[in-house]
Amino acid sequence: GEDVEQSLFLSVREGDSSVINCTYTDSSSTYLYWYKQEPGAGLQLLTYIFSNMDMKQDQRLTVLLNKKDKHLSLRIADTQTGDSAIYFCAERYNNNDMRFGAGTRLTVKP
Amino acid sequence: DVKVTQSSRYLVKRTGEKVFLECVQDMDHENMFWYRQDPGLGLRLIYFSYDVKMKEKGDIPEGYSVSREKKERFSLILESASTNQTSMYLCASLPVGAGELFFGEGSRLTVL
Repeated sequence: GEDVEQSLFLSVREGDSSVINCTYTDSSSTYLYWYKQEPGAGLQLLTYIFSNMDMKQDQRLTVLLNKKDKHLSLRIADTQTGDSAIYFCAERYNNNDMRFGAGTRLTVKP
Repeated sequence: DVKVTQSSRYLVKRTGEKVFLECVQDMDHENMFWYRQDPGLGLRLIYFSYDVKMKEKGDIPEGYSVSREKKERFSLILESASTNQTSMYLCASLPVGAGELFFGEGSRLTVL
């Protein structure tokens, strides 16, 4: 299909790991991104992965890329209440075109 | 740091009014975008521009127009605002080649 798909909601307890999944559309996408949006704010880049990588780790964040299945995931270790936000998956294709998912609202309960 | 600045954070307009949303970026990026964000629909591309005076329709251009007279400025225009254009509008810029999309803080428009 033509949509980047991700679940709309995820709820976890503080201290647990969060895993947000995404299925993208274009097997030739060069970059896959995770953006974070806090209430009332614009989107900020959280992390990204180049398409020739299958994993990227950055402190509490781990990104896994399965190109065969066009599946991207974001794992947040030791999730904190400050991680509560909407997380958008995005793909970059055709050099300058971007396609976004609908966003996953992560709620972290104390 | 790259900065994308949207002129208005919050706007309230009446049906039929003309609305201008301004966006300025300070990193000499060639590409600029306007998205609207609605709950459950994610970001939908309205228009984008890859150079001065160039514009391309995105996925939902109806009811909107854009202007890119200078490289750093990309304006979104609602000629006659309607209630279904109540939304959050996000401007972004992107360099050619490798790099990320940089977003402004957003402009929340309410049309009464």
